[in-house]
This record gives sequence, structure tokens and C-alpha cells, in this order.
Amino acid sequence: GAVVSQHPSRVICKSGTSVKIECRSLDFQATTMFWYRQFPKKSLMLMATSNEGSKATYEQGVEKDKFLINHASLTLSTLTVTSAHPEDSSFYICSAAGYSGRAASEQYFGPGTRLTVT
Amino acid sequence: RKEVEQDPGPFNVPEGATVAFNCTYSNSASQSFFWYRQDCRKEPKLLMSVYSSGNEDGRFTAQLNRASQYISLLIRDSKLSDSATYLCVVNRYNFNKFYFGSGTKLNVKP
Repeated sequence: GAVVSQHPSRVICKSGTSVKIECRSLDFQATTMFWYRQFPKKSLMLMATSNEGSKATYEQGVEKDKFLINHASLTLSTLTVTSAHPEDSSFYICSAAGYSGRAASEQYFGPGTRLTVT
Repeated sequence: RKEVEQDPGPFNVPEGATVAFNCTYSNSASQSFFWYRQDCRKEPKLLMSVYSSGNEDGRFTAQLNRASQYISLLIRDSKLSDSATYLCVVNRYNFNKFYFGSGTKLNVKP
């Protein structure tokens, strides 16, 4: 399958600080990237859809000023958690969908970033 | 009503058993269908896409029933390594959005 990387894989930060997570599609151009969060033993929750060169579309209940998304190129999207609080601690996963010789609508997931806010 | 619904399980089966999962979707405009597996504390990995004609990949068989709006995944000769959560995912091209089921947990025991 296509390769999507995510960095960092794990981060611990203090309350009030901001954390940036990078998502890269390594072997294909991702026209769309998605950001999810997942709590333990729960399903993935879509936070936002990020299209290259345009503003992200946020799901209901997700604060766009708190979770800043930038999709500057076809291979990179970033999620910045601003003024992090302990309740933001979660597993954040990005995915990329695009054309890689396979069906256009398949999406491939990055390995995830485990965020702990103390 | 949820876009995609799955039985959460867990399904506890012995090695070598055959197990089947179903998933229903609510929107008839859905175009693409997938099964992903997710191991504990890992990202989902694409298991297989589901085509209208049904498709098979080794021990795994996926089928789509558009009339009844459900997809299924059949696993034959279960292995211990098949233990995971299986996610049903549905996509509507026009909305460029993927809808996930909550996942079905499978435990294959020796």
C-alpha cells in the first residue's frame, strides 16, 4: 500500500503549549488528507478534511481555532493543537487519499501520534 | 441513524474457524466500500476494497449487497494473527468523505 508518515510518533507536552503534527504522503500525491482522533477502545473520529491549497473542512464540534490545519502541498498536511489541555490527550491519526495507480478513493493511514498533555 | 453500523463483538473463535462480519450502511449513494483492520494502539491498515462482484484475497472474502445495503467479510481458517478490530468504511465520491463503522473485534484463540 501507499506510504504515509507521521511525525512525531509520540509527544508529551505541558498544558498551554502548542504541538504540531506532520503528515506526509511519501509515494503519491494526496489531494485530500484527513485528520482523526481516537480515544482508547473507541472508533476513529474524523476531525477535519484537508484539501491542498484550500481551507480545511472541520466536523461539527471541532474547534478550528484550536486545531489548526495546513495543507500546503500535495504531500504534506500539518495539524497544530494550540493551547493544549489534558483532555486533548489522544491518538491522532492522519490519512491520505489520492491517485497512486489504485482506486482514487482508497485512503492510507499514517502510524499515528500519541499526544499526552500534562 | 449512523452512516455505518457494525456489531462491536467481540467474536471469540478458535484457530481454524470461519468467521463472518456484516456491516450495514444507511446511504444508498455510497460508492466505495472497504475493510480495514486495526491492531491495538496502531493505525488502521487497508485489508481489502469491496467490489460489486465480490472479491477474494486468500482466506478473506468480501461481498457487497447494494439492495440490502450491507457488506460482509468472511475469514476462513482463522489464525491467531487475525485477532484485531475490523473496520467497515464507506465512501461517497461526491462528498469525498469516508464513514467508519465502530469496528468489530475478533479474538482468535489457540
